[in-house]
Amino acid sequence: EVVLTQSPATLSLPPGERATLSCRASQSVSSQLAWYQQKPGQAPRLLIYDASHRATGIPARFSGSGSGTDFTLTISSLEPEDFAVYYCQQRRDWPPLTFGGGTKVEIK
Amino acid sequence: EVQLVESGGGLVQPGGSLRLSCAASGFIFSRYEMNWVRQAPGKGLEWVSYITSPGTTRYYADSVKGRFTISRDNAKNSLYLQMNSLRVEDTAIYYCAREGGSSTSWAFDMWGQGTRVTVSS
Repeated sequence: EVVLTQSPATLSLPPGERATLSCRASQSVSSQLAWYQQKPGQAPRLLIYDASHRATGIPARFSGSGSGTDFTLTISSLEPEDFAVYYCQQRRDWPPLTFGGGTKVEIK
Repeated sequence: EVQLVESGGGLVQPGGSLRLSCAASGFIFSRYEMNWVRQAPGKGLEWVSYITSPGTTRYYADSVKGRFTISRDNAKNSLYLQMNSLRVEDTAIYYCAREGGSSTSWAFDMWGQGTRVTVSS
């Protein structure tokens, strides 16, 4: 099973700052990694697929990079609506399909 | 409107059963692979099960294998999760999620609002 480790667990930043979230896989997942955003009481929303492709309707301030075992989600300038929990997900080696434990981005 | 709507959640005693449903609308359901994902209270996301578009291949997380069964009825645009021998640790919000296919590869581009399952005596 591929284990995805996200860091940090919590990221405290003010609006307008750059956020950098990390996802590390226990073995190579090639570029088969996705990122999701989840706000309280809501279902997750797809942000990035295949490591670096923005999903439809996702603002350009969200970008993904990486391949193999190390991946990054970058939010170039935090907007008030970006404070949420972010999850990475892989499907390179499955089943099982796995998610990371999440990074909470909170307002500082 | 393009959407997924889950139903069937509720309170059940340990050892009991529930059948969750997910109604799809606004898109050609039969063309998409589907999944169930759950989220225990205050916890992260856990993949539960997957089914191919024709329903011929199914995968399960080890935590539910032998107890849960995923199925679909393409004529009714519906996805199901039959949950038997429920345990306290199955308590969670259950989401159905669509794989994007050609548009977003395998990633889950559409999610329902979730249905809550509580297993307690």
